Amino acid sequence: AQTVTQSQPEMSVQEAETVTLSCTYDTSESDYYLFWYKQPPSRQMILVIRQEAYKQQNATENRFSVNFQKAAKSFSLKISDSQLGDAAMYFCAYIPSGTYKYIFGTGTRLKVLA
Amino acid sequence: NAGVTQTPKFHILKIGQSMTLQCTQDMNHNYMYWYRQDPGMGLKLIYYSVGAGITDKGEVPNGYNVSRSTTEDFPLRLELAAPSQTSVYFCASSYDGQGNYGYTFGSGTRLTVV
Repeated sequence: AQTVTQSQPEMSVQEAETVTLSCTYDTSESDYYLFWYKQPPSRQMILVIRQEAYKQQNATENRFSVNFQKAAKSFSLKISDSQLGDAAMYFCAYIPSGTYKYIFGTGTRLKVLA
Repeated sequence: NAGVTQTPKFHILKIGQSMTLQCTQDMNHNYMYWYRQDPGMGLKLIYYSVGAGITDKGEVPNGYNVSRSTTEDFPLRLELAAPSQTSVYFCASSYDGQGNYGYTFGSGTRLTVV
């Protein structure tokens, strides 16, 4: 079965510091996409970053970057220079190529301390 | 550009009642989805649609129905509400049918069945 595991229910980081959120997934597919979504208290899910499995280069979006290890089936999110506005629930998600259905992890709640 | 709009934002429903959660998008996306989010869990797919007049079941369709008469609208109907349907419901849409470029989510409907 395809699963996504986020083993850290909650993380804390000091403002301006760096934090890494972990995500592992299980699949037998070779072609797929991985995503990190942010869910602030407003509830609306916002796409943070995406990674195509066929690309070896790690995706980067401003202060957000990923460490994609395909063989290890690991997809961690690094947030640099953390800001108070980064406080949210973060969900890792996987979608096999050719399907419509995301598989979401259970989320990691990130607290940013002033 | 409003994106994906869901109404209502909150609702309390009595056991056995029925209601419709509304979802509309103005991005001309063909693909639309309904997810539910339970506490401590990731999102689970209820139903999806690949275009007007075409719908299909997701992971957890029991107790729900959908219709897609227009590209813009994708309402979710709850028949004979049960406490197990207490959840936060998210509607989403995507340009790419495989969600490769991420979904645009609505802000959710928090539904309580008592």
